[in-house]
Parts: sequence; C-alpha cells; structure tokens
Amino acid sequence: DQQVKQNSPSLSVQEGRISILNCDYTNSMFDYFLWYKKYPAEGPTFLISISSIKDKNEDGRFTVFLNKSAKHLSLHIVPSQPGDSAVYFCAASATGSGAGSYQLTFGKGTKLSVIP
Amino acid sequence: DTEVTQTPKHLVMGMTNKKSLKCEQHMGHRAMYWYKQKAKKPPELMFVYSYEKLSINESVPSRFSPECPNSSLLNLHLHALQPEDSALYLCASSPRTRNTGELFFGEGSRLTVL
Repeated sequence: DQQVKQNSPSLSVQEGRISILNCDYTNSMFDYFLWYKKYPAEGPTFLISISSIKDKNEDGRFTVFLNKSAKHLSLHIVPSQPGDSAVYFCAASATGSGAGSYQLTFGKGTKLSVIP
Repeated sequence: DTEVTQTPKHLVMGMTNKKSLKCEQHMGHRAMYWYKQKAKKPPELMFVYSYEKLSINESVPSRFSPECPNSSLLNLHLHALQPEDSALYLCASSPRTRNTGELFFGEGSRLTVL
C-alpha cells in the first residue's frame, strides 16, 4: 500500500509560468514532509520541507503548501526555469518515537519538464 | 564539504562474486543510510546507522551486509546477489539521528548483477 502518492508521473510547463506538483499521503502519523529533486545520474537533492504544524513554507522560488485535513501537499515553483527540469519526489516522515522515526517514505516522483 | 561520495559509480558483478559499495561523508553527520532504487520507483530504505550502530534493518536479505567502520564511512558488502538486486544503491547521511528527513544523498552506485 502506497503511503505517499504522486499521481502525476510527468508535468510540462512553459518557462516563466508556475509549476505545481502534487502529493497525497495516507498515514496520519506523518508529521514532516519534504520535496527532493533528482537529476539523471545523480542522487536526490533536498529542496524544501514543512512540518505538520505549519501550512506553508517558502524558500525563494519554491513554496510548499500542506493541507492536513486533506492529507495533501503541493510544491509551487514560480517562475519555472529550464534548470528546474528534473524528477521531484515527495517524501514523508513520522518523527515520533520508535523505529519508524527513521523511515523516510518516498512517492514515485513526478518528472517536470520546463520548456524554454 | 557538503558531499556524500559513493564508489564505485558503476559495478557489474556475477552471482558468485563478492564486492563492496563504499560511502563517505565529512559533514559530521552521525546518521547514515543505504537506500535501494529500482527504475521508475521511489528509493526504498535498507539500513540506518546511528552513531556507527545499526539501528534499522528493513528486512533486507543477508546477501547484503552493511558495515560502518567509523562516523565518516559506510560500506555495503555484497555476496551471492541475484539479478533482481540490480538497482541504484544510494547512500545518505543526515545531521540528526532522529529523522526529520533532511537527508544528503550521494550520486549512487549503479549495480548490475549478471
């Protein structure tokens, strides 16, 4: 059972426009959410995170929104640039006590293509 | 130095071979991880080391044997692997032993088992 779902395998956006990547989760114990970016032949790179006590976190062109009641988060990239073209993974963590606090559960990823 | 370095980048081995993957970080992180990623799938956690002690083993077959000789190094010893073990093996480290998920990943070692 997939606990973190990214239902769009790919997304194409024009340069300068907004990219919105979506992620849904099912596990109510998740309390920390992250986005990672991955270029081909490289490991994932941490992009931005949000704690469940917040509903928005912003870092430059990147903003993550969290809707806990809907168990949904999204990553907004504004403006999108060709260098943003990569696979974006949503990930979630349950930071409470116990062995599960080490588990980072990833979605399957969304491939973003920013068209010049 | 904000890098996690993995060697080798590519490895081809037979099912009877013994080989090792290596990972190194000099960021002072005390938690290190091995993940496995198959094509078009998310990374899957294999092992977690916290302060050089194995704290998580996600039911990984014994043909994979992790080792953490010191706080900067993490090895994954491979023996009698199967073709379905072919994957990208990612090493990661984090500044916290209690995982908030801010992992720093290496570029991965692409393993092919013939």
